[in-house]
Amino acid sequence: KNQVEQSPQSLIILEGKNCTLQCNYTVSPFSNLRWYKQDTGRGPVSLTIMTFSENTKSNGRYTATLDADTKQSSLHITASQLSDSASYICVVSAKDSSYKLIFGSGTRLLVRP
Amino acid sequence: NAGVTQTPKFQVLKTGQSMTLQCAQDMNHNSMYWYRQDPGMGLRLIYYSASEGTTDKGEVPNGYNVSRLNKREFSLRLESAAPSQTSVYFCASYIARGQGIGNEQFFGPGTRLTVL
Repeated sequence: KNQVEQSPQSLIILEGKNCTLQCNYTVSPFSNLRWYKQDTGRGPVSLTIMTFSENTKSNGRYTATLDADTKQSSLHITASQLSDSASYICVVSAKDSSYKLIFGSGTRLLVRP
Repeated sequence: NAGVTQTPKFQVLKTGQSMTLQCAQDMNHNSMYWYRQDPGMGLRLIYYSASEGTTDKGEVPNGYNVSRLNKREFSLRLESAAPSQTSVYFCASYIARGQGIGNEQFFGPGTRLTVL
């Protein structure tokens, strides 16, 4: 069964600190993996998208990595800001149905001053 | 360019009542989706429409119906609401830019539905 698991479920860090969120997936055949940011009360917004041939991709202070062999991805946030407080969702699509996405349950990040 | 819009933003229903959630996109995307999001769970696909005139069931379609009115609009109907349908509902549209590359879903702001 295609699944996406994220850890930790929640995380609290101080403003200015770095953090790393994890995503493991069992989706096969793999097409691409994306990280979304979801602010409270809003819809998810895409941060990065990676195909199997990409190991890393950055978007400002957000850097995503992908290891297609171990089926793991991470999202690293550098120099966190209060506005980074949100849920971060890992989403994977399969090659046979690239328009159907499998969502992780998300990591809820709280950045404190 | 408003992207994906949803109405209403909030709704409270009594068990057995019916209602329709509206979704529209102005990005000329072919595919549209309805998801529900419950606490501690990932978004789950209810129905999707790969193109105008077609609809297909997703992971959790029971208790819902959809209509792809035209390319822009995709509505979700609850015929007889149940407390288990209390959730946040997201509509999304999808653009495919190539084989797995650059494909992107854009989400609406969500509808928060409570069924008493």
